[in-house]
Amino acid sequence: HLVESGGGLVKPGGSLRLSCAASGFTFSHAWMNWVRLAPGKGLEWVGRIRGKPEGGTTDYASPVKGRFTISRDDSTNTLYLQMNSLKTEDAAVYYCCVEKRISSQEPQGWFDPWGQGTLVTVSS
Amino acid sequence: EIVLTQSPGTLSLSPGERATLSCRASQSVSSYYLAWYQQKPGQAPRLLIYGASNRATGIPDRFSGSGSGTDFTLTISRLEPEDFAVYYCQQSGTFGQGTKVEIK
Repeated sequence: HLVESGGGLVKPGGSLRLSCAASGFTFSHAWMNWVRLAPGKGLEWVGRIRGKPEGGTTDYASPVKGRFTISRDDSTNTLYLQMNSLKTEDAAVYYCCVEKRISSQEPQGWFDPWGQGTLVTVSS
Repeated sequence: EIVLTQSPGTLSLSPGERATLSCRASQSVSSYYLAWYQQKPGQAPRLLIYGASNRATGIPDRFSGSGSGTDFTLTISRLEPEDFAVYYCQQSGTFGQGTKVEIK
């Protein structure tokens, strides 16, 4: 079970931090992702953070690299997305989701489950 | 970077008809990594198929996935009213642009 929060209205150039509260699974081992859906567009992957066994390393999509930071607090089962230098094109519903893999040796997988999403609006 | 191209962009069909959705990768991908999702307005995406051909938990057997290499297919054998939605394929950090299945 995943519940996002923290969305809202922010001006271009501003910052926002999204949270995703997780329950019902071993969060510290889970690979967690952020995916967004902008108005009139398709799903866009934002980035991932690997689990504790893999050192919690991160990957980011090119449009957000250097501006967004994904982090996690395994003590509270919470995933974060810190968004800085926001642009109008970052406006979207942001979803957190778990990345599952065929085996622990695989470098990638599929996304399930998903949270309900939180809306970010970037406008002056 | 792999690009996933879905076709058609929109599929207009009637309930009871068969839907065939295509996802083509710009280079060969492992079937392990290909997934399909359904998304309805105002809802989160729902996993349908993982590993190209494995139905996710609770997904009706009218949904099936197939393919390998660069060409993958999602088939809905008989469309139910609740199946009209947007469908996305995904491989790692890449999504296709989506296929909208609409009521004819």
